[in-house]
Amino acid sequence: DGGITQSPKYLFRKEGQNVTLSCEQNLNHDAMYWYRQDPGQGLRLIYYSQIVNDFQKGDIAEGYSVSREKKESFPLTVTSAQKNPTAFYLCASSIGGVGELFFGEGSRLTVL
Amino acid sequence: RKEVEQDPGPFNVPEGATVAFNCTYSNSASQSFFWYRQDCRKEPKLLMSVYSSGNEDGRFTAQLNRASQYISLLIRDSKLSDSATYLCVVSRFGGGADGLTFGKGTHLIIQP
Repeated sequence: DGGITQSPKYLFRKEGQNVTLSCEQNLNHDAMYWYRQDPGQGLRLIYYSQIVNDFQKGDIAEGYSVSREKKESFPLTVTSAQKNPTAFYLCASSIGGVGELFFGEGSRLTVL
Repeated sequence: RKEVEQDPGPFNVPEGATVAFNCTYSNSASQSFFWYRQDCRKEPKLLMSVYSSGNEDGRFTAQLNRASQYISLLIRDSKLSDSATYLCVVSRFGGGADGLTFGKGTHLIIQP
């Protein structure tokens, strides 16, 4: 079945550590996105990529980094520079343009 | 006015009733509008796009009022399975999913 796979689902991290969240899609979508959701808040865009080897900052990119070496993969690294990293992270993809976003099941990161 | 505003609820509604909620947006240049559904601790999923002429999908009707800058979602004959958070999503400019703004969501609880 086509879809988006995020891993891990749950992750605990000590302060000062970097952590990488995986996102893989087999939908053959060109565009991929990373969002962050905090309790009672709307989704906020961290980074997005519309083609391989190119990505753009979203609204809250500070403290995060991404890469897009393959069409299928868009990993997100939460660095120690991110001041408040505890959140629900959602990866999404779309064909392109303003179309339907397909989301992965999300990764819950807790910083201890 | 905030970019996208929704009444957070919760809306407690008896099964079988009709419920409606609105979402206001601030950018008059917004072109694309969507309703997403998000179950507790899950990823959002597209419920329906909102077209200028209004559109219906089974028990769900979405409408757009450009003059007053709001979109609405009406659910008829509500089911227990409709319990979820409904996210209003608006494009900030003409195109590109990178320009989407998510509302904080309206929490709906259907009671038996």
